[in-house]
Formats: sequence, C-alpha cells, structure tokens
Amino acid sequence: EVQLVESGGGVVQPGGSLRLSCAASGFTFGDYVIHWVRQAAGKGLEWVSLISGDGSDIFYGDSVKGRFTISRDNSKNSLYLQMNSLRTEDTAFYYCVKAHSGIYPNSRIFHYWGQGALVTVSS
Amino acid sequence: EIVMTQSPATLSVSPGERVTLSCRASQTISSNLGWYQKKPGQGPRLLIYGASTRATGIPARFSGSGSETEFTLTISSLQSEDFAIYYCQQYKNWPLTFGGGTRVESK
Repeated sequence: EVQLVESGGGVVQPGGSLRLSCAASGFTFGDYVIHWVRQAAGKGLEWVSLISGDGSDIFYGDSVKGRFTISRDNSKNSLYLQMNSLRTEDTAFYYCVKAHSGIYPNSRIFHYWGQGALVTVSS
Repeated sequence: EIVMTQSPATLSVSPGERVTLSCRASQTISSNLGWYQKKPGQGPRLLIYGASTRATGIPARFSGSGSETEFTLTISSLQSEDFAIYYCQQYKNWPLTFGGGTRVESK
C-alpha cells in the first residue's frame, strides 16, 4: 500500500523558515516523480513543486520560486521542502504527492496524496 | 498559464441522481486532464486521468469525457460517499493548474 506521511508543519512568523518532510513507503521511491501541492483554507489546489526520481529535474510554481527548495533522499525514501522567506499567503495544507509514473505526461498526474501538513505563517 | 474553469461552483443533488460536472481550459490541452475528489480532512483522490481513464480502484459510476478545451466528469448514480469537492487539473503545460472546484452537496 502506498503511503505518504508529511511532517514538519507548524506556526512561523513572516520572513521565517520551515522544512517539511515526507516519508514514503509501499513503492520504489526512486522510480517516481514526487510533487508538493498546497491548499489554503477555503481555496483551491495549487501546484508548488516537483522533483524527478533521481533529483536531476526540478520545477517550481512562480509564487514560490526563489524561496522554496525541493529535495529528496532516495536512500531514506524521503522528500523535503525547505521554505524560506515565508509570507502570510503561504499559509496552507501542504501535500506530498506521488506522480502516476516517472515518464511524461503521467509524471504530471497526481496519483497518491498524503494527508497534508499545515503551515501557518502569522505574526 | 492555462486557466481551468469549473462549473457549476455548487451542485445540490440527491443520492441516485446522475451528476455532470464541467471543466473548461483557456487553451487546448489535448487529453492531458485529470479529475480529483477532495473530502474534508483527507488528501485528494485521483479519479480520472487522460480525460477518460479511470484510476485504479475507482468505481465504474465515475466517467470522464472531452478533449482540447471542454471536459466533463459524470457520476452515473450518486452515492452518499460521493459528496465532496471535485477538481480538474491540466498537465499539458507549466505551471500545472487546477480548476476552482465544484462542490457536490446533499439537496
């Protein structure tokens, strides 16, 4: 069974930093593209970032580019999101999402989702 | 950026009814479209990809159709567990974008 468990959420002041982690199991982690997708309260879904299976290809949404860094450690079946210069508009649930496959276009389909980690940016 | 527009915003229905949700893309995306179901307190669930292919384990009452800019998700006979918010998502171009969602609620 595929499982994705996010951790590291919490409350941080504007301008602060936070690091999210995602522990994966139930599949060959290094074979798959993994994404971060977020959802603010009462809002829709927003794609944040993706990283390829070997970490060589990385993409970011415009709203987080230059502030967030995605990374992975395939030896630990783990994904990370380093979030710097946080803004109030970054407040959201952050989901770790396994892609349908490692190959375009299915690498852009959000197949399995975690339960989410809540990040609150507030003074 | 490709803008995805879903309609209606809210649909009030009774169990057993046929439900049709619409999604429109601001430019052609071929069949690079997915549908997701979101319930409170849970991560979204993939229902349909490639505009019309059901994901693993998705009941046959869910079906998708359409191509290019106009897409439809149909629930042939709504079950009580289907009350949720449904989102479409295009994966033709960067950035990957979602529609605003359609809430399916109990009449």
